Amino acid sequence: AIQMTQSPSSLSASVGDRVIISCRASQDIRNNLAWYQQHPGKAPQLLIYASSTLQGGVPARFSGSGSGTDFTLTISSLQPEDFATYYCLQDYNDPWTFGQGTNVEVK
Amino acid sequence: QVQLRESGPGLVKPSGTLSLSCAVSDGSISSNNWWSWVRQSSGKGLEWIGEIYHTGSTKYNPSLRGRVSISVDKSKTQFSLTLSSLTAADTAVYFCARRGIDAYGAHWYFDLWGRGTLVIVSS
Repeated sequence: AIQMTQSPSSLSASVGDRVIISCRASQDIRNNLAWYQQHPGKAPQLLIYASSTLQGGVPARFSGSGSGTDFTLTISSLQPEDFATYYCLQDYNDPWTFGQGTNVEVK
Repeated sequence: QVQLRESGPGLVKPSGTLSLSCAVSDGSISSNNWWSWVRQSSGKGLEWIGEIYHTGSTKYNPSLRGRVSISVDKSKTQFSLTLSSLTAADTAVYFCARRGIDAYGAHWYFDLWGRGTLVIVSS
């Protein structure tokens, strides 16, 4: 199975900060990567798919980039509702595999 | 707006079998989507369990193969998960999810999730 490694596992930030989260795949997955946001007690919500395509209704402050093995999720100006855990997911080969998550918390 | 809703027991015994169902609110289970199960435990994070297409075609995570089965009931517009030989490691929140395809037919992604149901394996 393809292993997905996210960094950092957690970070502290303030409203208005630029936040960057990284995800690395154990092999080339082309651009078959999605990003999800999860608030405590809730289901994950799709933010970005195909590495950089914003899901409908997701604010433009979220962006994704990368291909091959290295990917990033950027939040250009962190908002109060963005404090959550973020997961990457590869959908290149099954079994589909998630990163371990990055918890974005209040500084 | 379509919703997914999981149902099933919250407590199951070790060595027993878990059965969960997921209802698709608008009956669209025969659409061009894969219907999946994902679980989340504190120890292992998010783990894809498997999925089914309305034709009955299935895919399973090899880590669970031999213990897992997913079926679809089109008359009830729901799909179900069966997981056997349970241990405490199977304690998790179980989500059902839809894996749909983009408008260009190039990328699949989990675009709809149920609220999740907590399953505890304990005697």
